[in-house]
Amino acid sequence: AQSVAQPEDQVNVAEGNPLTVKCTYSVSGNPYLFWYVQYPNRGLQFLLKYITGDNLVKGSYGFEAEFNKSQTSFHLKKPSALVSDSALYFCAVRDMGRAAGNKLTFGGGTRVLVKP
Amino acid sequence: GAGVSQSPRYKVAKRGQDVALRCDPISGHVSLFWYQQALGQGPEFLTYFQNEAQLDKSGLPSDRFFAERPEGSVSTLKIQRTQQEDSAVYLCASSSRQTILFFGSGTQLSVL
Repeated sequence: AQSVAQPEDQVNVAEGNPLTVKCTYSVSGNPYLFWYVQYPNRGLQFLLKYITGDNLVKGSYGFEAEFNKSQTSFHLKKPSALVSDSALYFCAVRDMGRAAGNKLTFGGGTRVLVKP
Repeated sequence: GAGVSQSPRYKVAKRGQDVALRCDPISGHVSLFWYQQALGQGPEFLTYFQNEAQLDKSGLPSDRFFAERPEGSVSTLKIQRTQQEDSAVYLCASSSRQTILFFGSGTQLSVL
């Protein structure tokens, strides 16, 4: 079965500094990978996805992610963090089963705190 | 509607009470998913519908949990005889043939 792991419960970064949120995955076959963000008392918002093609994927709000097949990683990055980026971030992998539809399996989440 | 709508936003139930949570997906989305999110954790899959057919219910934690989508649009997640461990946020998501899931704001269930 596919899975993703987010090794950091929390990441603290100063505003204006680069932000990285780590994710590693385990799948059989080619992975479909996603990042979602969750603000307090809100549902999950889609940031970006990797299906195929360029290893560097650009998404919403200035975020990007780098797919690394040899390291089975899909880290989320932002060159210059904003205080408003403080939220809970989830990495996810799509279930590749025939009847799975677009079912996603999520990691445990990483809380990002950007300090002014 | 413009997005996935869930109601109620908050639900407080006494232990043993039955509850029903509603999800109104994005118009035209054939796929609908229910997830359970415990405090500070990632969403856990409960069940999946394609139109009115429930194709996967492997994540439902017990036979007290039941979901339906009779006309392939609105879905209801029902929990019978609620227990304290059922307290969580219940998220609904819908998708079209694309791979992106669009989530509602969730229903926060508190069982006292």
